[in-house]
Amino acid sequence: DVKVTQSSRYLVKRTGEKVFLECVQDMDHENMFWYRQDPGLGLRLIYFSYDVKMKEKGDIPEGYSVSREKKERFSLILESASTNQTSMYLCASSLPGGLSEQPQHFGDGTRLSIL
Amino acid sequence: AQKITQTQPGMFVQEKEAVTLDCTYDTSDPSYGLFWYKQPSSGEMIFLIYQGSYDQQNATEGRYSLNFQKARKSANLVISASQLGDSAMYFCAMREAKRGAGNMLTFGGGTRLMVKP
Repeated sequence: DVKVTQSSRYLVKRTGEKVFLECVQDMDHENMFWYRQDPGLGLRLIYFSYDVKMKEKGDIPEGYSVSREKKERFSLILESASTNQTSMYLCASSLPGGLSEQPQHFGDGTRLSIL
Repeated sequence: AQKITQTQPGMFVQEKEAVTLDCTYDTSDPSYGLFWYKQPSSGEMIFLIYQGSYDQQNATEGRYSLNFQKARKSANLVISASQLGDSAMYFCAMREAKRGAGNMLTFGGGTRLMVKP
């Protein structure tokens, strides 16, 4: 079974802090993703990576950056946290390839509160 | 325009009855795939079922089936014989071929299903 592990289930930080959310997957997947989940809005893609050191912006990248130095690890960085970044953050991984039935596999999420 | 619309923010179903969760989508891409995920209160996202745009038959996985109506651009999830453990958020998502090999998904806002004993 694919395992996607997010380093924290709950995190509380202060406005202006630099925040790191870590994600590790154990299935050698090329693709990794960061989403945020807000009530009524579903999941929205922040960034994704299709290879080490490669990244692409998703639908809502503003205020975020990412790092992928190793294939199994994908980090989301909030350079200067703001209260509107309080949310649930979900990491996912998947195999590459165009249209396929390969699903994305998700971690358990990190509920981040910015005070 | 919303790419994925789930019009039912919340709904109830009696245990052992069937329930349909609605999903409509909007794309001009002839090649796309549709996914349903379940998110229990614990937070993890569980993949349930997939339907490709060229699939001739509706997808089924155990108690889950997908009522795919391509002309109407709808992909409703049907859960038969509901169980208490089916209480969760359900998300419909779409993958479009034009977005490339990144396998990116666009999600709907979700439906919270509550199963009554």
